[in-house]
Amino acid sequence: GAVVSQHPSRVICKSGTSVKIECRSLDFQATTMFWYRQFPKQSLMLMATSNEGSKATYEQGVEKDKFLINHASLTLSTLTVTSAHPEDSSFYICSASGQTASYEQYFGPGTRLTVT
Amino acid sequence: ELKVEQNPLFLSMQEGKNYTIYCNYSTTSDRLYWYRQDPGKSLESLFVLLSNGAVKQEGRLMASLDTKARLSTLHITAAVHDLSATYFCAVDIRGNEKLTFGTGTRLTIIP
Repeated sequence: GAVVSQHPSRVICKSGTSVKIECRSLDFQATTMFWYRQFPKQSLMLMATSNEGSKATYEQGVEKDKFLINHASLTLSTLTVTSAHPEDSSFYICSASGQTASYEQYFGPGTRLTVT
Repeated sequence: ELKVEQNPLFLSMQEGKNYTIYCNYSTTSDRLYWYRQDPGKSLESLFVLLSNGAVKQEGRLMASLDTKARLSTLHITAAVHDLSATYFCAVDIRGNEKLTFGTGTRLTIIP
């Protein structure tokens, strides 16, 4: 099956710093990638959708200037949390879909961000 | 606004028993997904249901979709401890692959 990786798996940073999270599709070309966040014991919330070579589309209530998304190639999307604060601490999960008829989304292993 | 609700939110059941998790959604859709999440882990895809009446089975799990009732079920047969996890349904209402997730059902199988 299709494999999506994320790096790093865990990151701890100080308040006010920026953190970049990478999402890669390892064995397929991802035309679309999605970024979700999940707070403890809660469901996943879609943050934004990114398509290769174009600007990301953010969901209502998600600050585009705080959560910078770049989808520079068909195998890589990055999420940068700028000027992180403790309330940004969360589990960030990306998913990717390719040009297939299966309508599957392939999820990465997630990145746990802790802002101190 | 699309709402996706699951019930129950918490389920504790004994090994060997059968049970059903329900997923209701508020807007017409014909794409519904079921995922499993273990503590501290990401999502594992279980089923993709793409049409009314779709039924899929894998091992002790069986999922079905009734688009007219806006209802999907995940049935567990003869539960075993390894099935303990949180189960999410997710709906794609516009065919644009944006998923709205249900509230999740935390399943605990007691030996």
